[in-house]
Amino acid sequence: EPEVTQTPSHQVTQMGQEVILRCVPISNHLYFYWYRQILGQKVEFLVSFYNNEISEKSEIFDDQFSVERPDGSNFTLKIRSTKLEDSAMYFCASRGRAEYEQYFGPGTRLTVT
Amino acid sequence: LAKTTQPISMDSYEGQEVNITCSHNNIATNDYITWYQQFPSQGPRFIIQGYKTKVTNEVASLFIPADRKSSTLSLPRVSLSDTAVYYCLVGAGAGSYQLTFGKGTKLSVIP
Repeated sequence: EPEVTQTPSHQVTQMGQEVILRCVPISNHLYFYWYRQILGQKVEFLVSFYNNEISEKSEIFDDQFSVERPDGSNFTLKIRSTKLEDSAMYFCASRGRAEYEQYFGPGTRLTVT
Repeated sequence: LAKTTQPISMDSYEGQEVNITCSHNNIATNDYITWYQQFPSQGPRFIIQGYKTKVTNEVASLFIPADRKSSTLSLPRVSLSDTAVYYCLVGAGAGSYQLTFGKGTKLSVIP
């Protein structure tokens, strides 16, 4: 069964550093998403991406965040200058054109020290 | 977006049927009701979606009354592996770009 993959599974970084979280969505999917979940809290939407541009973004997705689909397979989330409060689990998800189900990856645990 | 209310937690014994009810009084005409499941340290996983009446798949059933102000996710004969958080989401089906998760219902299945 096709699945969304994410790397790394765990990333530790120092405050102020840049991080890039990587995702490989399901191959024929066209809609891509990033969500985050701070420990013990609910899953929060960050951004959606379609046709090489951002479709929607939340208030969390400020100028420190950016997304990119650099090639036909990867989808990345960059945090330019990490803050302690960026520590969370980051989930990538993808969806096909005719589907309503979003398929989530296993997540990347980001720890900012 | 319609606000959803569901119990914070539920306990059940193995082999029992579990029903989790979600209230969504302000559901809009074009909103669908979707349930996701999340195991610890994993991403959410789609369970089922419906618009009205009853939907059944190999995992669960979803019951939606005529007024659509609530919905009930039914899990038949739960096992220990069904211990997870279950989220009820309300939004405009396939056209919805973002999923809005609440706090969900933490289901604990007891041997």
